[in-house]
Amino acid sequence: NAGVMQNPRHLVRRRGQEARLRCSPMKGHSHVYWYRQLPEEGLKFMVYLQKENIIDESGMPKERFSAEFPKEGPSILRIQQVVRGDSAAYFCASSPYVVTGGDGYTFGSGTRLTIV
Amino acid sequence: GESVGLHLPTLSVQEGDNSIINCAYSNSASDYFIWYKQESGKGPQFIIDIRSNMDKRQGQRVTVLLNKTVKHLSLQIAATQPGDSAVYFCFKTSYDKVIFGPGTSLSVIP
Repeated sequence: NAGVMQNPRHLVRRRGQEARLRCSPMKGHSHVYWYRQLPEEGLKFMVYLQKENIIDESGMPKERFSAEFPKEGPSILRIQQVVRGDSAAYFCASSPYVVTGGDGYTFGSGTRLTIV
Repeated sequence: GESVGLHLPTLSVQEGDNSIINCAYSNSASDYFIWYKQESGKGPQFIIDIRSNMDKRQGQRVTVLLNKTVKHLSLQIAATQPGDSAVYFCFKTSYDKVIFGPGTSLSVIP
């Protein structure tokens, strides 16, 4: 039973390019959460999705960022026209149901995005 | 707005001593309070959680205490080991909202 799979592990993009980060939740998990972690900082909530629905995107920047979790396939976090400030580690977590206890979440190993 | 904060950004302890990591929160509307551990280059790992109607919960070498009067949460690690070196986050949930504190970096001195 594989855990939450994120790919790529490392992604380098030039300023102005697009970055696509993928997250495959654990089998049976239909809830996905994306977090951003800047160097030496904590994790900041970005967006919470269920299959084909965005439930809470209150942590997402209003421009350039979007997320989806289609009926089939992984969840995608998309960053358009990347800037240096987008350099961070992006973590995905999944859960089988609406958040309850802490062991309901499983985190992936993250994608380290570097903008050059 | 809601916030979860930690008292100290770094903590150094001698191997074998007990560690106490503290966390304050501003909004009590939460089902669970959770502690996560994040080792360098890895994603957060669940350590222990406590339901908001409890005061104390114990796990293996870890104890979480919840003081709702002063809105304070602590994680106690007994007999700290080098493998405990990591960043520790407190984390609260309330239905669909999840909020992380900034983290405390624990360093264990051999």
